Amino acid sequence: EDQVTQSPEALRLQEGESSSLNCSYTVSGLRGLFWYRQDPGKGPEFLFTLYSAGEEKEKERLKATLTKKESFLHITAPKPEDSATYLCAVQHSGATNKLIFGTGTLLAVQP
Amino acid sequence: DAGVIQSPRHEVTEMGQEVTLRCKPISGHNSLFWYRQTMMRGLELLIYFNNNVPIDDSGMPEDRFSAKMPNASFSTLKIQPSEPRDSAVYFCASSYRTGDGYTFGSGTRLTVV
Repeated sequence: EDQVTQSPEALRLQEGESSSLNCSYTVSGLRGLFWYRQDPGKGPEFLFTLYSAGEEKEKERLKATLTKKESFLHITAPKPEDSATYLCAVQHSGATNKLIFGTGTLLAVQP
Repeated sequence: DAGVIQSPRHEVTEMGQEVTLRCKPISGHNSLFWYRQTMMRGLELLIYFNNNVPIDDSGMPEDRFSAKMPNASFSTLKIQPSEPRDSAVYFCASSYRTGDGYTFGSGTRLTVV
């Protein structure tokens, strides 16, 4: 059964303090691994898709990396506006188009 | 584009009542997804449609839940009768093709008392 585990559940950082969020996955054939950001009271917002081990994607202070078993979301010099819940999801390589989500990491960046 | 549009934003209903949630996907997107989000279980896929046809409804909790997509621009999720344990945020999302990221709506917060 496809499974996604994110850690830590919650993370508190000082502004400028870099860190990483982890997403471990078990899937019998990965088509893609997705990262989303979710702000309170809103729907998840798409950030990145990674397709193969070794791939990296960057957007502003965020960089996502992928190995055969996990993905990391690195946050460099975070700002308070980076505070949100970050969700990871996997898509199976079969015919299905569905995403299986982890439960997320709640990030709080204090000024 | 206005994005994925869901209505209502909030719904409070009494146990046993019928609830209908509505979704308008992004024009041109051919896949539509209904998810439920709770603190305990996170985001769970309930059902998804491809070209208006239900493909996978294995996440629908029980027969009280039903979903329809009569055309490419509209879908409904119905709960009848509703129960307090159905209280959650329900999200609709759409995508253009397999492998694309989804675009989510703002969700409907359902409270069943």
